[in-house]
Amino acid sequence: AQRVTQPEKLLSVFKGAPVELKCNYSYSGSPELFWYVQYSRQRLQLLLRHISRESIKGFTADLNKGETSFHLKKPFAQEEDSAMYYCAPKYTGTASKLTFGTGTRLQVML
Amino acid sequence: EPEVTQTPSHQVTQMGQEVILRCVPISNHLYFYWYRQILGQKVEFLVSFYNNEISEKSEIFDDQFSVERPDGSNFTLKIRSTKLEDSAMYFCASSGDRGVYSNQPQHFGDGTRLSIL
Repeated sequence: AQRVTQPEKLLSVFKGAPVELKCNYSYSGSPELFWYVQYSRQRLQLLLRHISRESIKGFTADLNKGETSFHLKKPFAQEEDSAMYYCAPKYTGTASKLTFGTGTRLQVML
Repeated sequence: EPEVTQTPSHQVTQMGQEVILRCVPISNHLYFYWYRQILGQKVEFLVSFYNNEISEKSEIFDDQFSVERPDGSNFTLKIRSTKLEDSAMYFCASSGDRGVYSNQPQHFGDGTRLSIL
């Protein structure tokens, strides 16, 4: 079965500190990996996808196929980064669904 | 920027009643989805829809659920006889302005909070 693990429910960091939100996925074909973010009282928004290899709002994520991980990183946390973050693989061949992790709440403290 | 819109934002319904949740996907998108999130739990896939038919559905999407694209713009989720455990946030999403198995990202609506009494 396809499985996504985000081990931390809550991650608290101080402003300016580095952030790493962990995500491990089960291997099944060659999934495309996404990170979605949900700010307070707002919709789920795409943050980034691994094939684009771009940095959004200072966040990057590297796909490690050997470790089946797609950790989200940012060198210096900002207060506005406080939100729920969801890792979501999309498995090849389904044309369809995202499989969401349980999410990690990032809390950036002043 | 175009958005997925969902109505209503909050729906309160008596158990056993039918409910219809409405979504207007982004206009040039071809794939449509429903997800739900029970309070405190993760977002779960319900169903995907392409070319006027269901392309994939989860175990949650049983005979009580149905989807429809009644016209060129709306995409609806109907629950025939609601149960207490149907209480959740329901998200509509759309994607794919080209190609079968397109990996275009999914764009989500704000969600409808469904409360079953």
